[in-house]
Amino acid sequence: KQEVTQIPAALSVPEGENLVLNCSFTDSAIYNLQWFRQDPGKGLTSLLLIQSSQREQTSGRLNASLDKSSGRSTLYIAASQPGDSATYLCAVRTRGTGNQFYFGTGTSLTVIP
Amino acid sequence: DGGITQSPKYLFRKEGQNVTLSCEQNLNHDAMYWYRQDPGQGLRLIYYSQIVNDFQKGDIAEGYSVSREKKESFPLTVTSAQKNPTAFYLCASTLAGGVTNEQFFGPGTRLTVL
Repeated sequence: KQEVTQIPAALSVPEGENLVLNCSFTDSAIYNLQWFRQDPGKGLTSLLLIQSSQREQTSGRLNASLDKSSGRSTLYIAASQPGDSATYLCAVRTRGTGNQFYFGTGTSLTVIP
Repeated sequence: DGGITQSPKYLFRKEGQNVTLSCEQNLNHDAMYWYRQDPGQGLRLIYYSQIVNDFQKGDIAEGYSVSREKKESFPLTVTSAQKNPTAFYLCASTLAGGVTNEQFFGPGTRLTVL
């Protein structure tokens, strides 16, 4: 069964710093990987979707990379802002029964003004 | 605006009661999903449906039931057989016809057992 891990569980950085969030997965037979943002008590907001054939995707200050063979993805956030404070989750859509999405437990990010 | 709506936002259940959580989407998506989120754990799949009148169990289906009578609606019933139902419930959808599509989420329902 696919297992998705996100390290660190929590991260605190000063405003303006560039940062990297990590996501690793055990089964490389994936269709895609999706990064989400979740604010407290809210649903998930999609940030970036990377297909298994792609190496990276960019949206504004966000850049996500995917190394399927090593089972890793990173989310790079440039010039962090207090409004970036949230929990960031990754999910992989895995080949097999039901082609399910498997989620990591998330990284809680705090950007200090 | 296209999107996914969930109601109610907060729900309280007494022991032994069944409750139903609503999920509606106007994105014209074929596939819909129900997840449960507990503190410190990732989202876990309860049920999913790829087409009307068809659905499959996820990893934690025991104590839950669903129906898919309409494309835009996928209600989840939490039955009295679910022993620890207090959690945050999230509904999601994707376009079907392929496995490359992005997943979109509703705002969630927080269920508390009194």
